[in-house]
Amino acid sequence: DAKTTQPPSMDCAEGRAANLPCNHSTISGNEYVYWYRQIHSQGPQYIIHGLKNNETNEMASLIITEDRKSSTLILPHATLRDTAVYYCIVRVPYGGSQGNLIFGKGTKLSVKP
Amino acid sequence: NAGVTQTPKFRVLKTGQSMTLLCAQDMNHEYMYWYRQDPGMGLRLIHYSVGEGTTAKGEVPDGYNVSRLKKQNFLLGLESAAPSQTSVYFCASSDYTQYFGPGTRLTVL
Repeated sequence: DAKTTQPPSMDCAEGRAANLPCNHSTISGNEYVYWYRQIHSQGPQYIIHGLKNNETNEMASLIITEDRKSSTLILPHATLRDTAVYYCIVRVPYGGSQGNLIFGKGTKLSVKP
Repeated sequence: NAGVTQTPKFRVLKTGQSMTLLCAQDMNHEYMYWYRQDPGMGLRLIHYSVGEGTTAKGEVPDGYNVSRLKKQNFLLGLESAAPSQTSVYFCASSDYTQYFGPGTRLTVL
């Protein structure tokens, strides 16, 4: 079972920041928080990951609470092309079976004009 | 640098037919994975490989076989297709982060 809880859906106005929450209260000390998104029927796309510090890349920012029990993915200026299902996944950063991704149901983000 | 590619993109099979899906990656990754995704569902792991010549079962391996003869390729085989195998199949490769291919949409009639 997925070790994360996300709201099933969210709306965001185009050009505004989209803030997607994720709860992972049972996260272990060596597990990272990963975010992926899936745009209609395409392959999942890696967005960002982090351990305990806030992270930023060209796509998004990741804010992880000090107790690491929750996090927020921020898309600073959402566009219509950001409409997708967003998955928050906790995992160890290894390959093989230890690093397997377990996808839950994610959050369906709808960006509206 | 193409990343992860999958062949074919679409396929329709009749019950009992066989086929092989090909996944190729050019990132020199050791780890490769096959997932299936059914409508409205998350991805489920079928088989994975931790290196050339190795394979292992995932969550839903029944009815599928895999081979990793070359590091850059991971093949998924259906020996006798069944309607329950109608799905979208995604391949991924990874170092510490998994990167996915575009998917193969398979329909079994």
